[in-house]
This record gives sequence, C-alpha cells and structure tokens, in this order.
Amino acid sequence: QTQLVQSGAEVMKPGASVKVSCKASGYTFTDYYIHWVRQAPGQGLEWMGWINPRTDDTKSAQKFQDRVTMTSDTITSTAYLQVSRLRSDDTAVYYCVDNWGNYWGQGTLVTVSS
Amino acid sequence: EIVLTQSPGTLSLSPGERATLSCRASQSVRNNYLAWYQQRPGQAPRLLINGTSSRASGIPDRFSGSGSGTDFTLTISRLGPEDAAVYYCQHYDTLWTFGQGTKVEIK
Repeated sequence: QTQLVQSGAEVMKPGASVKVSCKASGYTFTDYYIHWVRQAPGQGLEWMGWINPRTDDTKSAQKFQDRVTMTSDTITSTAYLQVSRLRSDDTAVYYCVDNWGNYWGQGTLVTVSS
Repeated sequence: EIVLTQSPGTLSLSPGERATLSCRASQSVRNNYLAWYQQRPGQAPRLLINGTSSRASGIPDRFSGSGSGTDFTLTISRLGPEDAAVYYCQHYDTLWTFGQGTKVEIK
C-alpha cells in the first residue's frame, strides 16, 4: 500500500535553512508528482509546490519561489523540500502529498525560533 | 490563480442533522477539478471527494459533493460525533489552492 513517511521535527534559528524528506513506498515513485502543503498553528492549508520525480520539473506557489527548493532521489524514492532564510512565520507542519490528494505524509513540524 | 471562499466559518449542528458546506471560486473551475478534505484535530487531511462529486475510496455515502462553475457544496447527511472536523475545499490543476476551511461542531 502507498505510504509517505516524513522526517522528524526540526527546531531552527531565523535565517537558517531546513530540509524535510518524504520517502515514498508502495508505488512507482516516478509515476506521480509529489506536492508539498504546509499548515501554520491553528491555520488552514497552504500549497507550496510540486515536483515531478520523473523529470525533476518543479512548480512553486509564487510566494515561495525564491526560498523553496524541491528535489527528488529516484534511487531511494525520496522527495525533499528545502526552505531557506527561515522566518518565525514559517513555523508550521509541512506535509508531502501524492498527486491526487489520497495519501499524505504524517507531517513534519518545523519550529523557527531564536 | 483561483481563490476559494468557504462558508460558513463554523457550523454547529446536532447528531443526525444534515450539514451543508459551501465553496465559492473566484472564477469558473474547469473540468470540475474541485475536491473536499476532512481534517480532524492532530491528523493529516483526508480526501473525501474529488472531481466535484466522486467519493474517495472508503468514504461513506453520507458524504456527497455537488456543484459546477463557481459554486460547490459538500453535504454531510446524518451527522455523527466522528464528523467533528475542519473541512477544506481545494481546486487542483497545475497549481493547487485551498479554501480557508469550515469547522463543523457537533452539539
């Protein structure tokens, strides 16, 4: 069965970068895009972007285009989200999601605090 | 980019009642690419409906979606305690966008 398993919680300083991983299993990794969605505490869902693991093409939401890098490793079937120049308002749970919204990772809490 | 506006913000109903949640798009949604998710506290969202009206695998038929163009509705018939959650609509195409959510409370 399809599973997306994410890396553990992170505590980061403002200005630093964080890299969250999402390991896929149960399907052919290169068949479907992986999307990234975040949720700040008590807030709604915010789409960040997608990566096509077959081609490494990516598309980011406009507000993240200069701070977000999405990559993938087809050998380990793992997608990565890197967010740079972290600010306190980047504190959120970050989710990876399959292309159809059926499968979500368990979420990774990133806390940005001095 | 399509903006989705959900209403009401909060819905408080008794067990067994029907809930009607609205999602309005800022422009017409092509190909009915509109989905609904349920998010219970402390959990990841769960897909309920995609393609405006198709139930995802394992979703009970108490949940139904309808609509077209710019106006979409999620209906939950016969509310149960387990339906207490926040519900989000989503437009999916090259980009994704989410509504701000409707919280359903069970009295």
